[in-house]
Amino acid sequence: DAGVIQSPRHEVTEMGQEVTLRCKPISGHNSLFWYRQTMMRGLELLIYFNNNVPIDDSGMPEDRFSAKMPNASFSTLKIQPSEPRDSAVYFCASSLGGGEGQPQHFGDGTRLSIL
Amino acid sequence: GDSVTQMEGPVTLSEEAFLTINCTYTATGYPSLFWYVQYPGEGLQLLLKATKADDKGSNKGFEATYRKETTSFHLEKGSVQVSDSAVYFCALKNSGGSNYKLTFGKGTLLTVNP
Repeated sequence: DAGVIQSPRHEVTEMGQEVTLRCKPISGHNSLFWYRQTMMRGLELLIYFNNNVPIDDSGMPEDRFSAKMPNASFSTLKIQPSEPRDSAVYFCASSLGGGEGQPQHFGDGTRLSIL
Repeated sequence: GDSVTQMEGPVTLSEEAFLTINCTYTATGYPSLFWYVQYPGEGLQLLLKATKADDKGSNKGFEATYRKETTSFHLEKGSVQVSDSAVYFCALKNSGGSNYKLTFGKGTLLTVNP
């Protein structure tokens, strides 16, 4: 079975450029999450979608970050303009419902380096 | 708020040794508890879970028992292998309005030497 698919796996770009990360959740899952992982802060939830609707974006760092989910099989996380402190691994995860017993399934992540 | 505390690593063991990674939690309500594993260069994978007190989650030789009285969910394996080398995360999801949120511990790096 196909898991959560993220692209690109690695992204290196210069400060000020726009960065777009992409995610395809597991088919049939209606909850989607974007996380950021750094050594200093660990795993942080950035945004949560349920049935394609953003429910909780309180973790989005600032207006430079935006996320969309135009349909049930695709989501993007955009950073514009990018800054060196945005360098991190970004994970997308999906689950069948958001309930407390439902595990989240993670993609392999995008390793982002902003020079 | 909710929180998860894991023993700090790194943990280094020889192959076939016994593994314990301690995890305790603070939460209101009745959370579900999870262990995730992250191999180098990969995303987190669900290892096991328990959704109520006294439940035991198990998978691939790993076990953890949900202990409400001690608010703990310690991960154990009787005989580790080199292939178990990874970072292990304890996590909880609480009941209530924010039941979609996974609260993670900081992770414990395990290295198993042949």
